[in-house]
Amino acid sequence: DTGVSQNPRHKITKRGQNVTFRCDPISEHNRLYWYRQTLGQGPEFLTYFQNEAQLEKSRLLSDRFSAERPKGSFSTLEIQRTEQGDSAMYLCASSATRGRLSYEQYFGPGTRLTVT
Amino acid sequence: GDSVTQMEGPVTLSEEAFLTINCTYTATGYPSLFWYVQYPGEGLQLLLKATKADDKGSNKGFEATYRKETTSFHLEKGSVQVSDSAVYFCALSTLLGDTGRRALTFGSGTRLQVQP
Repeated sequence: DTGVSQNPRHKITKRGQNVTFRCDPISEHNRLYWYRQTLGQGPEFLTYFQNEAQLEKSRLLSDRFSAERPKGSFSTLEIQRTEQGDSAMYLCASSATRGRLSYEQYFGPGTRLTVT
Repeated sequence: GDSVTQMEGPVTLSEEAFLTINCTYTATGYPSLFWYVQYPGEGLQLLLKATKADDKGSNKGFEATYRKETTSFHLEKGSVQVSDSAVYFCALSTLLGDTGRRALTFGSGTRLQVQP
């Protein structure tokens, strides 16, 4: 078990460009979450997958954001027409479904996005 | 909505000092409570958790007790080490609408600096 992995670790892009991030969860975890963390703040929930189904989306997730989890394995988060306000750390987490332990989430190292 | 309030940092202590980081929460229902730690340059790691009132979570010398009557989950350690220097996040499992699904709501984090 290598834990949750995310790629790339860092991304610098110009305003207006599209970016895509990838998350590989812990292999037996069927739940996957995306969070966004800005400097000096705690992570904020963006979206949630159970297997391949995207079941929840936060109001923070504007129309420029889209996430997928084909086949219930890895997930991608795409941001279209990036804005400077999108600069943040994007975190992925996964969890299993085992009673109340289903709320215990394991985080990846994050992808730091800088929009210039 | 649900929220978590943590004491502002940085908290600066000498090695072997006693640590308390205050955390209070507002939530509907009966959330699980968590402390996560973020070491410099690393991702969020689950430090400890408690799933119901009066539960005590503990790990690596850290402890926190789920106090429903005061809606608190304060983090304590009897003797801190330089290696404990990190940012500590208090979090709760938040209901997403009325679906029964949950994500994490985080506090803004408290930076701990331990000096030799």
